[in-house]
Parts: sequence; structure tokens; C-alpha cells
Amino acid sequence: AQSVTQPDIHITVSEGASLELRCNYSYGATPYLFWYVQSPGQGLQLLLKYFSGDTLVQGIKGFEAEFKRSQSSFNLRKPSVHWSDAAEYFCAVENTGFQKLVFGTGTRLLVSP
Amino acid sequence: DAGVTQSPTHLIKTRGQQVTLRCSPISGHKSVSWYQQVLGQGPQFIFQYYEKEERGRGNFPDRFSARQFPNYSSELNVNALLLGDSALYLCASSSNAVIHEQYFGPGTRLTVT
Repeated sequence: AQSVTQPDIHITVSEGASLELRCNYSYGATPYLFWYVQSPGQGLQLLLKYFSGDTLVQGIKGFEAEFKRSQSSFNLRKPSVHWSDAAEYFCAVENTGFQKLVFGTGTRLLVSP
Repeated sequence: DAGVTQSPTHLIKTRGQQVTLRCSPISGHKSVSWYQQVLGQGPQFIFQYYEKEERGRGNFPDRFSARQFPNYSSELNVNALLLGDSALYLCASSSNAVIHEQYFGPGTRLTVT
């Protein structure tokens, strides 16, 4: 069965600094990959997705992610973090043929002044 | 346009009781999926419904059931509640059965005492 690993439970970044959140997946074929963000008390908002083609995908709010097949990774990046980016970030994989999303356990981002 | 709406926002139930959670998808969306998010974890897939038929089921006991109505809204029912059912229940809608693009509602917070 496919799985998603987010090795960092918490990350603290200074405002204005760059950010990289790690995501590794386990799946035999090329999966559909997603990053979602969840603010406290809110549902999930889709930041970006990878289906095929260019391995560097751009999303909303200045986020981007790079798919690396050799490393089974799909890391999320942002060049300059804003205080409003503080939230929980979830990486997810959709197994084509199985119509469900499998989520990682999430990474909580804290932004310090 | 309104997003995915869920009701109620919060709910407190006692062990052994039954609960019904409701979801209205984005207008024009025909697919609804349900996820359970226990505190500190990523969402876990429960069900997907499309055109009133169950299209996918996660690893949840038979105490969990759902249905979709002709207007594509959906209900999630949980019988014989356990303390471990306490969670945020998320509903997501997509335009069709291929759920590459899912839009999540704010969730219903269920507390079982």
C-alpha cells in the first residue's frame, strides 16, 4: 500500500527566511502528489499538485514543489516565509485506480519574528 | 460561489450514541469524499460517493456509513460511538469521480465523552 512520510513534525523558520518541508512517498508507479495547508480550525486548502510533466510545480501563495522520482520525494519550498504561513502542511498521494488520498502526518510550521 | 459546507460545526456525543454529519458540495460537483482527522494526524479516507453510489471505502468498521442524495449532498453516519471516534470529520467535493482536485470543507469537530 502506498504511504507518505513527513519526517519533520515541527519546523520553526524566521520570517523572511526560506522554507523547505520534506515529503517522501512509497508507491510503485508515478503517483499524483499534493500539498495541502491547514490553518487552525480550518479545512484543507490545496497549495499545489503534480500529475506529470515538469517536475517543478508552482502553487498558490508563492509555494513550489519539486518531484524527484529517484528519491521518491516531493518537497515543498518557499523562498521567503511570511508570518501568515504559520499552519500545518500535509503532503498527500493519490493512487491512480484507487480513488482516495493518502496523507502524511503533517508538519507544523512556526514562524518567528 | 459557496465552497463546501458542513454541519454542524461542533458536536458532543456520549459513547454508544449515533451521529449524523452533513456535507453540501460545491455547486456542480458530483463527487463527495469523507475523511477522519484525529488530533495530531493526517486525514484518513473513509468513503467516496459519486452519483449516489459508493465508489471507495477506507479501512473503517461497519459502524461508519454514508449516503449521497440526488442533489449530491451527503451524510456520514456513525453508530455506537467510541471515544476513539473523536476527530475532525472533513468532507471534500470534486467535479467527478476522478478526484485529482478535491476541495475540502471546514470540517465537523466531533467529541465523544
